[in-house]
Amino acid sequence: AQSVTQLDSQVPVFEEAPVELRCNYSSSVSVYLFWYVQYPNQGLQLLLKYLSGSTLVKGINGFEAEFNKSQTSFHLRKPSVHISDTAEYFCAVSDPSGNTGKLIFGQGTTLQVKP
Amino acid sequence: ETGVTQSPTHLIKTRGQQVTLRCSSQSGHNTVSWYQQALGQGPQFIFQYYREEENGRGNFPPRFSGLQFPNYSSELNVNALELDDSALYLCASSFYRGEVNTEAFFGQGTRLTVV
Repeated sequence: AQSVTQLDSQVPVFEEAPVELRCNYSSSVSVYLFWYVQYPNQGLQLLLKYLSGSTLVKGINGFEAEFNKSQTSFHLRKPSVHISDTAEYFCAVSDPSGNTGKLIFGQGTTLQVKP
Repeated sequence: ETGVTQSPTHLIKTRGQQVTLRCSSQSGHNTVSWYQQALGQGPQFIFQYYREEENGRGNFPPRFSGLQFPNYSSELNVNALELDDSALYLCASSFYRGEVNTEAFFGQGTRLTVV
């Protein structure tokens, strides 16, 4: 069975510092990988996705992620965070069929950006 | 193009009652997926509707049911509500046709409270 593990439940960081949110997944087949962000009392917004091709994926708001097949990881990074990046971040994988509407999510990482 | 819209935004129901949640998919999308997000957790896949039929279900009992209409909008019905059904219910739409997939776009969610 597929699963997603987000290794940090909370990540506190100061404004303008770099940040990395870690995500490991398990799957016996190739999958699609996603990072979503959720602001308080809102739905999920797609930050970036890996479907195929280059392992370094760039997304919105200056975020990027690197797909590492050998380590089954898909860590999210941003070189300099802003207060407005404070939110909940979810890593997700598609089901084995590749259906992008059937997602398995991690438990989430709360990014707390401090002034 | 219009995004994914859900109604109502908030709902309070009594244990044992039934509830219907509604979702309008994004223009051009043919698939609707429903997720349950308990407080402090990642979203969990309930089921997906494609071509007006259920196209996969997560680990949820039969009292969770749904419909998809010819215009691709969808309903989630929950019978015999339990206190543990209290959660944010998210709807996501995507385009799916075999090898062709788009990423899932989420609505703002419906916050259901069961008392």
